[in-house]
Amino acid sequence: EVQLVESGGGLVQPGGSLRLSCAASGFTFSSYAMHWVRQAPGKGLEYVSAISSNGGSTYYANSVKGRFTISRDNSKNTLYLQMGSLRAEDMAVYYCATRTGTVTTSPFDYWGQGTLVTVSS
Amino acid sequence: SYVLTQPPSVSVAPGKTARITCGGNNIGSKSVHWYQQKPGQAPVLVIYYDSDRPSGIPERFSGSNSGNTATLTISRVEAGDEADYYCQVWDSSSDHPVVFGGGTKLTVL
Repeated sequence: EVQLVESGGGLVQPGGSLRLSCAASGFTFSSYAMHWVRQAPGKGLEYVSAISSNGGSTYYANSVKGRFTISRDNSKNTLYLQMGSLRAEDMAVYYCATRTGTVTTSPFDYWGQGTLVTVSS
Repeated sequence: SYVLTQPPSVSVAPGKTARITCGGNNIGSKSVHWYQQKPGQAPVLVIYYDSDRPSGIPERFSGSNSGNTATLTISRVEAGDEADYYCQVWDSSSDHPVVFGGGTKLTVL
């Protein structure tokens, strides 16, 4: 069974940093790109970041570019999101997700339960 | 960047049919995926590639996509279908490859 378990969320002051983790199991983690999607309170889904299977290619939404860094450790089956210079608008539930399909346009078929990041003084 | 437009809310009586639309420029040329999200839970894929259903999703859920509109149809709506629904496409021509619609709150009356 595929499982994605996020951790690391919490309360952080504006301008602060936080590192999220996503522990994966039940599939060959090193074979798949991984993604972060966030959802601000009461709002819709926002695609934040992605990393290729070997970590060699990354993507960031404009809203987080230069402040967030995505990485992965395939030996630990774990995805990370290092968040810096946090702003109030970064407050959200952060989901890690993956696509096990082989087609470029395949859907996100597995999601974690999410971890809440609260940015407040 | 590519924009997907969904109605904020749709209401339907139990046993009736709900239709949730997702508008986008020539969306019929793209593959559309639909996710269901209940309060406090992660999104769940309910329709992929316009009209395919993952295992475990009831046959009451169906999808279509043509022209500028994709549609998620839920037949014989049940109280348990009340949730937010999001459409999603991949826009390979853009710097923003993943696009979600704004979401539609389905209310079962």
